[in-house]
Amino acid sequence: DQQVKQNSPSLSVQEGRISILNCDYTNSMFDYFLWYKKYPAEGPTFLISISSIKDKNEDGRFTVFLNKSAKHLSLHIVPSQPGDSAVYFCAASDYSGAGSYQLTFGKGTKLSVIP
Amino acid sequence: DAMVIQNPRYQVTQFGKPVTLSCSQTLNHNVMYWYQQKSSQAPKLLFHYYDKDFNNEADTPDNFQSRRPNTSFCFLDIRSPGLGDAAMYLCATSSRRSGDPIYNEQFFGPGTRLTVL
Repeated sequence: DQQVKQNSPSLSVQEGRISILNCDYTNSMFDYFLWYKKYPAEGPTFLISISSIKDKNEDGRFTVFLNKSAKHLSLHIVPSQPGDSAVYFCAASDYSGAGSYQLTFGKGTKLSVIP
Repeated sequence: DAMVIQNPRYQVTQFGKPVTLSCSQTLNHNVMYWYQQKSSQAPKLLFHYYDKDFNNEADTPDNFQSRRPNTSFCFLDIRSPGLGDAAMYLCATSSRRSGDPIYNEQFFGPGTRLTVL
């Protein structure tokens, strides 16, 4: 049973326009949400995160919005650039009680930014 | 540069032949994780070490074992690989500060792609 869902396997956007990647979750115990970006032949790299006590976090061109009542978060990239083309993973964490935070990942959305 | 290194990047093994994947880190992080990612699937946590304490996920098959001889190194042993174990295996690290409620991000290696013939 998927606790973190990314329902769009792929997304194509024109360069300069806004990219919106969506993520839904089912576990109300998740307290921290992250977006990772993955290029081919590389491991995922951390992009941006948001605590469950906030509804927005912004870092340059990247903004993450969290709607707790809807159990939904989204990543906005504006303006989109060709170098943003990658697979984006949504991840959520809850304290596992073993001294570290587990991450539950979505399946990813492949973003293609068209020049 | 501080990093997470995985060797080899590509590993081919035969059905039933034991295989070991390696992960090392220069970040001096106290937590190390192993994930399995199959094609078009989400990375799935297999187990993690918090310092020397081993934490196995409930649904990780017994076929998968791990060793952490020191802070820098962690190994994934697959005792009898099956065709269904072909996947990308990702190692990650994080640093947990005692009493810190803020989540610390995980840093991933490039992964080892395992093929089982």
